Amino acid sequence: AQSVTQLGSHVSVSEGALVLLRCNYSSSVPPYLFWYVQYPNQGLQLLLKYTTGATLVKGINGFEAEFKKSETSFHLTKPSAHMSDAAEYFCAVSGSNTGNQFYFGTGTSLTVIP
Amino acid sequence: EPEVTQTPSHQVTQMGQEVILRCVPISNHLYFYWYRQILGQKVEFLVSFYNNEISEKSEIFDDQFSVERPDGSNFTLKIRSTKLEDSAMYFCASREFSGVGYNSPLHFGNGTRLTVT
Repeated sequence: AQSVTQLGSHVSVSEGALVLLRCNYSSSVPPYLFWYVQYPNQGLQLLLKYTTGATLVKGINGFEAEFKKSETSFHLTKPSAHMSDAAEYFCAVSGSNTGNQFYFGTGTSLTVIP
Repeated sequence: EPEVTQTPSHQVTQMGQEVILRCVPISNHLYFYWYRQILGQKVEFLVSFYNNEISEKSEIFDDQFSVERPDGSNFTLKIRSTKLEDSAMYFCASREFSGVGYNSPLHFGNGTRLTVT
């Protein structure tokens, strides 16, 4: 079975500080991993994805994530937080054994303090 | 860039009434989904649809729910007799066929906020 766990439902950082949002997955087969961002009153927007190849993937708005198989992790980072990064972030997993379903984490709300 | 569109953006209905939420997926996508998000909670899977039939559904998707693709572009979610607990944001999503292993991402609409009074 596939699942994702996001540690920390709320994260606060100062503007300009490093952003680190954690995601761990469980999967019996190589997973496909995704990060989505949700701004208030909007839908989910794809930030980045890992399917195969390079384990460090870069996404939009300066975010990146690294797939670490040994740690079953796919943490999202950004070197310097902007006020506009305040949003809800969701990690998701899909895979060859999930049929066509995505499994989402419970989300992490990021607050950026000026 | 093509996008998933949902209408209406807000829907208020009385308990026991039927509602239909509408979605236009991205035109070359083959997989369609409905998710819901109760205020402040996680995004929950309702149903997926492929080749004109339901491929998977969750426990939430009971007999009160149905989906339909009435023509080549629309994808609808019907709630037959709404309950207070159906109040949520409902998101439609679509996904292209990737050929192998379902590694293409979901593309989401902006949602319909359903309020049942």
